[in-house]
Amino acid sequence: GQQLNQSPQSMFIQEGEDVSMNCTSSSIFNTWLWYKQDPGEGPVLLIALYKAGELTSNGRLTAQFGITRKDSFLNISASIPSDVGIYFCAGYEETSGSRLTFGEGTQLTVNP
Amino acid sequence: KAGVTQTPRYLIKTRGQQVTLSCSPISGHRSVSWYQQTPGQGLQFLFEYFSETQRNKGNFPGRFSGRQFSNSRSEMNVSTLELGDSALYLCASNPFAGGALFMDNEQFFGPGTRLTVL
Repeated sequence: GQQLNQSPQSMFIQEGEDVSMNCTSSSIFNTWLWYKQDPGEGPVLLIALYKAGELTSNGRLTAQFGITRKDSFLNISASIPSDVGIYFCAGYEETSGSRLTFGEGTQLTVNP
Repeated sequence: KAGVTQTPRYLIKTRGQQVTLSCSPISGHRSVSWYQQTPGQGLQFLFEYFSETQRNKGNFPGRFSGRQFSNSRSEMNVSTLELGDSALYLCASNPFAGGALFMDNEQFFGPGTRLTVL
């Protein structure tokens, strides 16, 4: 199935560092979403973006909806150990109903 | 408000058997979607139900089916299980059909059912 190209695949950082990850697509998306998944659990919604160019923050998280509608990035500032997990970007295409297309995920490890 | 609940959380079956997974959406949510998550393929969309009707279907064989009841609860069934069906099956709900084309219709996920096929 179609997937978004998400990078990097994994990151190993020290506590307190900032993190950036991004997603690109060959298709235009109407909405971009960022989820975090902990082991054995379902993805938890972090941020939703609805308009091209939109920049949205949620605490230490900041995400942007690319102006071309084909990309998005997520930044995490001042990382802490509980940020560990897999981060997924996901998008809705206009004609896809409630069908989300997901990126491959970024595995984040934070060393205390 | 309670989140999306899925039962059972863990399931072990053997090849050739069938399995039924259950999902209760967030109260008031009428759209339920199912996803399969595997290490190799990532998160793949199975199908979406709204008002007891399948609205959208992913690229999975006919062995995968689902239904939705009048209270918006949903079940998915996999018949003639294969080893490759081992996966985390995730259910997600949102208030309306049509995805998050507008605010307040974001999709929320349950904890998943871990299916192992031996």
